[in-house]
Amino acid sequence: NAGVTQTPKFQVLKTGQSMTLQCAQDMNHNSMYWYRQDPGMGLRLIYYSASEGTTDKGEVPNGYNVSRLNKREFSLRLESAAPSQTSVYFCASSEGGTPSYGYTFGSGTRLTVV
Amino acid sequence: QQQVKQSPQSLIVQKGGISIINCAYENTAFDYFPWYQQFPGKGPALLIAIRPDVSEKKEGRFTISFNKSAKQFSLHIMDSQPGDSATYFCAASIGMGYQKVTFGTGTKLQVIP
Repeated sequence: NAGVTQTPKFQVLKTGQSMTLQCAQDMNHNSMYWYRQDPGMGLRLIYYSASEGTTDKGEVPNGYNVSRLNKREFSLRLESAAPSQTSVYFCASSEGGTPSYGYTFGSGTRLTVV
Repeated sequence: QQQVKQSPQSLIVQKGGISIINCAYENTAFDYFPWYQQFPGKGPALLIAIRPDVSEKKEGRFTISFNKSAKQFSLHIMDSQPGDSATYFCAASIGMGYQKVTFGTGTKLQVIP
């Protein structure tokens, strides 16, 4: 099925461990995004990539890094996980220049840092 | 800094009733206002959207009302059904290009039979 695929779906990390969340889209979208979702705080933008080869910080980038590997793939890395990074992480993509289509979101990665 | 304020945080409506969710924004540069619907365990999905040059947009049972002077917009769900039970997010963005979107904090809607 066309859309945004995120892996893994669930992960438990110990404080200080590192990991990479993977995201791939097959809709030929130019722009990709990483959001975190926390209770009572909605969705907050971590990083985004307006187009292949570019990345920019969002609202809450501290403790994260990203890589736009190619047009399809956009990964999020936690170098040294902290309990404050326990959250549900969503990757999204959009056509960019056509806002009427909105974002297409993946199904999320539920991360727990202990 | 919360640029899009959403209320209520949770809402319980009886089947057949009207669900109303309100949002207010501060940045007058916002020119695109989408609503997203999220079911448990899933990512949000675009439900309906409006631009500030219209005051109302209707798609089926879902209607967005927009008040540009008050910087407020709302989602009305007519004839609410149990299948509408989900979390709803309002959002706002500026212009074309990469369409960076600012989300509200969400409203958890429960429609009871």
